[in-house]
Amino acid sequence: EAGVVQSPRYKIIEKKQPVAFWCNPISGHNTLYWYLQNLGQGPELLIRYENEEAVDDSQLPKDRFSAERLKGVDSTLKIQPAELGDSAVYLCASSYRTEKAFFGQGTRLTVV
Amino acid sequence: DAKTTQPTSMDCAEGRAANLPCNHSTISGNEYVYWYRQIHSQGPQYIIHGLKNNETNEMASLIITEDRKSSTLILPHATLRDTAVYYCIVTSLTGANSKLTFGKGITLSVRP
Repeated sequence: EAGVVQSPRYKIIEKKQPVAFWCNPISGHNTLYWYLQNLGQGPELLIRYENEEAVDDSQLPKDRFSAERLKGVDSTLKIQPAELGDSAVYLCASSYRTEKAFFGQGTRLTVV
Repeated sequence: DAKTTQPTSMDCAEGRAANLPCNHSTISGNEYVYWYRQIHSQGPQYIIHGLKNNETNEMASLIITEDRKSSTLILPHATLRDTAVYYCIVTSLTGANSKLTFGKGITLSVRP
C-alpha cells in the first residue's frame, strides 16, 4: 500500500516568492491534515479537511497561506508571499475519519 | 493548552525495555491516548492508542492507569532504530477536538 506522498521533498526560495506543496493521501482516507514543524518542536496543525471541507483552519495564517483539496483527494498548500520565518518542514497526513494518521516525509522549505 | 506532560529526554540500553511516561491529568472520558514517534528527518509514525484498557501490538505496549491520568509506553526490547522523539497525545475521535495536537515529546536515545 502506498503511503502519503508529498512533493517536493525540498524547496529553496527567495523571500516574497510564492511556493506550493502537494500531497497525495492514502487511498480511501477522507481526513487530510497539513502540519508545520519548526526545528526542535512538535508538528503544529495548520488545517484539517474532512473530504473537501476544511473543518479546522483556525491555525492557518490566512493572509499568506491558502490550501485546497479539490474532489476530496489530493491537496495543495500555498504560501504567497513567503517570509524568512516560514522556513520549516511542512507535513501532510491522512486518516480514515479520525483514526490513526499516516504522515508523509514532509517538504523542507528554506526561505532565503 | 498542553494536554500531556512528558519528560524532555531519557535513554536506555539496547535490548532493554524502554518505559516512556506521560501525564494527562485533565483527560476527558471520551478522549484516547495516542503515541506517535518521529525518527530524524521522517514524518511521525503511529505506534499505538488506547482508551481505558492496556493495549499491545507488534511495536509496543500501552499501559493506562485506572484513573486514566497517566500512561506508559513500553518498548519491550529497544534497538538503536528506536532512537526517536516520542509524542504522547490525547484526543477524541469525534467533534471539534478530534485532532492530533503534538507537544515537544520525549527524546529517547538507545545506547549500544
